[in-house]
Amino acid sequence: EVQLVESGGALVQPGGSLRLSCAASGFTFSSYSMNWVRQAPGKGLVWVSYITSSGGTIYYADSVKGRFTISRDNTKNSLYLQMNSLRAEDTAVYYCARAVSRCSFDYWGQGTLVTVSS
Amino acid sequence: EIVLTQSPATLSLSPGEGATLSCRASQSVSNYLAWYQQKPGQAPRLLIYDASNRATGIPARFSGSGSGTDFTLTISSLEPEDFAVYYCQQRGNWPPLTFGGGTKVEIK
Repeated sequence: EVQLVESGGALVQPGGSLRLSCAASGFTFSSYSMNWVRQAPGKGLVWVSYITSSGGTIYYADSVKGRFTISRDNTKNSLYLQMNSLRAEDTAVYYCARAVSRCSFDYWGQGTLVTVSS
Repeated sequence: EIVLTQSPATLSLSPGEGATLSCRASQSVSNYLAWYQQKPGQAPRLLIYDASNRATGIPARFSGSGSGTDFTLTISSLEPEDFAVYYCQQRGNWPPLTFGGGTKVEIK
């Protein structure tokens, strides 16, 4: 059974940093591109970042470029999102999602809540 | 950036009725369009990929159509579990990947 389990969400002050993790199981993690998608409370879905299976290609939304870093460790079946210089508008549930067929997201984690507030 | 506009914002229907949800792209995305269903407190679930292909385990009452800039998600006969928010998502010209604003299908 495919499982994606996010962790690392917390309450953090503006300007602070946080590292999210996504533990994958039930599939060959090293064969799939992965993404982070976020959802602010009561709002819609927003794509954040993408990384290919090898980590060789990475993309970011303009809103997080230069502040967030996506990475992966295929030996640990894990995806990460390092978030620096956090702002109130980064407050959201962050989902990791597996990419298939022209970047549709076929499996999602349950999400982890990041709250940026003083 | 490609903007996806979903309409209507809210659809009020009764179980057993059919639903037609629209997603319009600001420029062509070919058939690189997916549809998701999200229920409160849950992660989104992939329904349709590449505009018209049902994802694994998705009931046949869900169907997708369209190409270029105009897409439709059709639910032939609403079941109680189908009342949720539906999002479209494109990967036609990226980055960025973008989602529509969502259509809420609520019980009338």
